[in-house]
Amino acid sequence: AAGVIQSPRHLIKEKRETATLKCYPIPRHDTVYWYQQGPGQDPQFLISFYEKMQSDKGSIPDRFSAQQFSDYHSELNMSSLELGDSALYFCASSLPVPNSPLHFGNGTRLTVT
Amino acid sequence: GDSVTQMEGPVTLSEEAFLTINCTYTATGYPSLFWYVQYPGEGLQLLLKATKADDKGSNKGFEATYRKETTSFHLEKGSVQVSDSAVYFCALSEPPEGFGNEKLTFGTGTRLTIIP
Repeated sequence: AAGVIQSPRHLIKEKRETATLKCYPIPRHDTVYWYQQGPGQDPQFLISFYEKMQSDKGSIPDRFSAQQFSDYHSELNMSSLELGDSALYFCASSLPVPNSPLHFGNGTRLTVT
Repeated sequence: GDSVTQMEGPVTLSEEAFLTINCTYTATGYPSLFWYVQYPGEGLQLLLKATKADDKGSNKGFEATYRKETTSFHLEKGSVQVSDSAVYFCALSEPPEGFGNEKLTFGTGTRLTIIP
């Protein structure tokens, strides 16, 4: 079965650089969530989209922005990267049905040096 | 705000032992409760869920019962296997106000290692 696809799997950037992470949800899933998981930490909600509109916002820094495109894929743009941004970034998608479970991708591991 | 507190790890058990990972929650409403499992190098996979009080979620021999009176959702398995070694996250989701609002609040995760 098709799963949530994230790219790239690994990304190494230097401080103050920018990074773009991509997420391709499961077909027919029009809701996308982004999470950040620091080393040894639990995943923290960043932002979500439903039908290409931002639907909720969590602890996302102002240096980050995200959007959902017409084909429902989503991109997380990160600027002025800091060492503390090093983390695993997960995307999840779900159907627009109450209590529909979130399906997670394998994540993008971002390392900022 | 919402929060999830789960048993700190790491937890090491012998194969075929009984497993319990405790999870309690604080929420303003009537949340749905989940257990997710994360294998090394992989994303989070939904293990089981329960959406209302006294519901029991079960999957792959794991079970958890939604206890509203004790605000708990403890994960249990009668006989663990080496392949169960992973990190387990308890999570909750408040009833959404529209779509795209079913964000999860996670516990800190419990690393489980099963030795043969």
